[in-house]
Amino acid sequence: EAGVAQSPRYKIIEKRQSVAFWCNPISGHATLYWYQQILGQGPKLLIQFQNNGVVDDSQLPKDRFSAERLKGVDSTLKIQPAKLEDSAVYLCASSSSTGVYGYTFGSGTRLTVV
Amino acid sequence: TQLLEQSPQFLSIQEGENLTVYCNSSSVFSSLQWYRQEPGEGPVLLVTVVTGGEVKKLKRLTFQFGDARKDSSLHITAAQPGDTGLYLCAGARGTDKLIFGTGTRLQVFP
Repeated sequence: EAGVAQSPRYKIIEKRQSVAFWCNPISGHATLYWYQQILGQGPKLLIQFQNNGVVDDSQLPKDRFSAERLKGVDSTLKIQPAKLEDSAVYLCASSSSTGVYGYTFGSGTRLTVV
Repeated sequence: TQLLEQSPQFLSIQEGENLTVYCNSSSVFSSLQWYRQEPGEGPVLLVTVVTGGEVKKLKRLTFQFGDARKDSSLHITAAQPGDTGLYLCAGARGTDKLIFGTGTRLQVFP
């Protein structure tokens, strides 16, 4: 089966600019997650979708970050305006049902804010 | 507050050596997963353990879930350069989201 697709792979922007990331999960996976991973650290959950509804966005900086999953399949994550501390790898993952038995991650988008 | 602490943070060893990575928490988890992440890629699931005291083996890797389901360990026998990467434990409580550990970066030199 095809894996989790993410684009772009790399993005460099100036602070205060906006950026968007795209994710296509594994077909049939109802749950989709966006994680932020600072270099050398473990991923931190930003938002979790179940189909097209938000389950958990408690760690999402809502003043600048937004995410949507309109048709319960693809998802986009947007940052506007970007700050230097947003430099990180943004990982998308999907799982069937609860994900207790594991997530499948995409390769991530490496964002550098200069 | 980090719920899952991994140790050591960094590990640099020669090929053929054995090593153990620890994942500790004060919280109880219904399941615990181990992932390996290589540079430029997303984490890849290695194993899931769900029963306290459970031991799973994957070739040269041995995973153990603590009896109280608060901690786990990963033991690698005869490490190889291909084992190099960032090892992440992640815990789930019921149907809740996965919480990732702080990570252990392993470098195996030939």
